[in-house]
Amino acid sequence: DAKTTQPPSMDCAEGRAANLPCNHSTISGNEYVYWYRQIHSQGPQYIIHGLKNNETNEMASLIITEDRKSSTLILPHATLRDTAVYYCIVTVSGAGSYQLTFGKGTKLSVIP
Amino acid sequence: GAGVSQSPSNKVTEKGKDVELRCDPISGHTALYWYRQSLGQGLEFLIYFQGNSAPDKSGLPSDRFSAERTGGSVSTLTIQRTQQEDSAVYLCASSLQGGGQETQYFGPGTRLLVL
Repeated sequence: DAKTTQPPSMDCAEGRAANLPCNHSTISGNEYVYWYRQIHSQGPQYIIHGLKNNETNEMASLIITEDRKSSTLILPHATLRDTAVYYCIVTVSGAGSYQLTFGKGTKLSVIP
Repeated sequence: GAGVSQSPSNKVTEKGKDVELRCDPISGHTALYWYRQSLGQGLEFLIYFQGNSAPDKSGLPSDRFSAERTGGSVSTLTIQRTQQEDSAVYLCASSLQGGGQETQYFGPGTRLLVL
């Protein structure tokens, strides 16, 4: 039931920007794009979310294309602690919309 | 501020025993959710609380699983007569009001191993 597609893995040099892509071509007009990450042996951590405008917070930036069919999560200066599996999800609207479903995500490895 | 906390962090039990897992949500969060994550698998929704009531129990895998929430805060997930296939990480999350498309904040999880 994947509504999103992400590359299985990516490497990023420490200190560089990590750009994680996500395709969500079937997204509906009132559905949000959320990003979570899961560091090994920890619970999922909320990163950022957006509807149509680009968003920035202290952790990351989210760039959503104008047609909303894809987005990119940007970690501006990756550190070793950013090594994790990153999940891009689309929150469905309507009944049961709180039931989060993670796909396989992108395993980001930050290299020293 | 304090996030979602869960206890115990790890639990090893024998097949057939009962276990209780506890979740303390973020203070003021009305909605609470239980999920489980098996090794290498995705997130599996179990139950959703709005206040002390559970409008959605659809994810509980069997009648051996039950959950309650008291005082609109702490929740306990109970698994009776545990089976080996119950081994997983049990995650609790909370959100401000619930009802969908709201940011959920997760706890560290309880790692359950049934021998």
